[in-house]
Amino acid sequence: DAGVIQSPRHEVTEMGQEVTLRCKPISGHDYLFWYRQTMMRGLELLIYFNNNVPIDDSGMPEDRFSAKMPNASFSTLKIQPSEPRDSAVYFCASSPKGIGNQPQHFGDGTRLSIL
Amino acid sequence: GEDVEQSLFLSVREGDSSVINCTYTDSSSTYLYWYKQEPGAGLQLLTYIFSNMDMKQDQRLTVLLNKKDKHLSLRIADTQTGDSAIYFCAENGDTPLVFGKGTRLSVIA
Repeated sequence: DAGVIQSPRHEVTEMGQEVTLRCKPISGHDYLFWYRQTMMRGLELLIYFNNNVPIDDSGMPEDRFSAKMPNASFSTLKIQPSEPRDSAVYFCASSPKGIGNQPQHFGDGTRLSIL
Repeated sequence: GEDVEQSLFLSVREGDSSVINCTYTDSSSTYLYWYKQEPGAGLQLLTYIFSNMDMKQDQRLTVLLNKKDKHLSLRIADTQTGDSAIYFCAENGDTPLVFGKGTRLSVIA
């Protein structure tokens, strides 16, 4: 079975540019999560969706960040405009129904570098 | 709010046992998880334990849970160089998983 698929794996861009990260969750999973990982702050939950609806976006750092899930098989995380401090590894994860007792399955991440 | 604490680094010799510790705050957690992250990869679920258990064994892995002290540990027997990675403890309550900052395990040959 295919796992969570993220693209691109690596992104290098100049500050001020728009960045779009993409995620395809595991088929049949009802929950989708976006995380950011840095050395300083560890793993931070940015936002999560249930059945394509955003449930909690309190982790989204600023208005420059936005996330959408137009259908059950696709989600995007967009940063506009990007800044050097956004450099991090961004992970997408999905889990089946029953958020309290189902583990999350992670993609391999997008390593983002903003110059 | 919920919090999960782990030591940041652990170094062991190949063949020895590794013990990674974790403390958590949410007493309503029903499941506790251990994830492994290898370089350049995402987090991979290693094992989990239900909160009404105090021990779970899976091959070289032993998970111990002290619910009274809210303390979770992961023991890796006969540690190998391939076990070098970051290990994350995570808990769930009524919210998405709360992760610790991860323990970086270095195995010395």
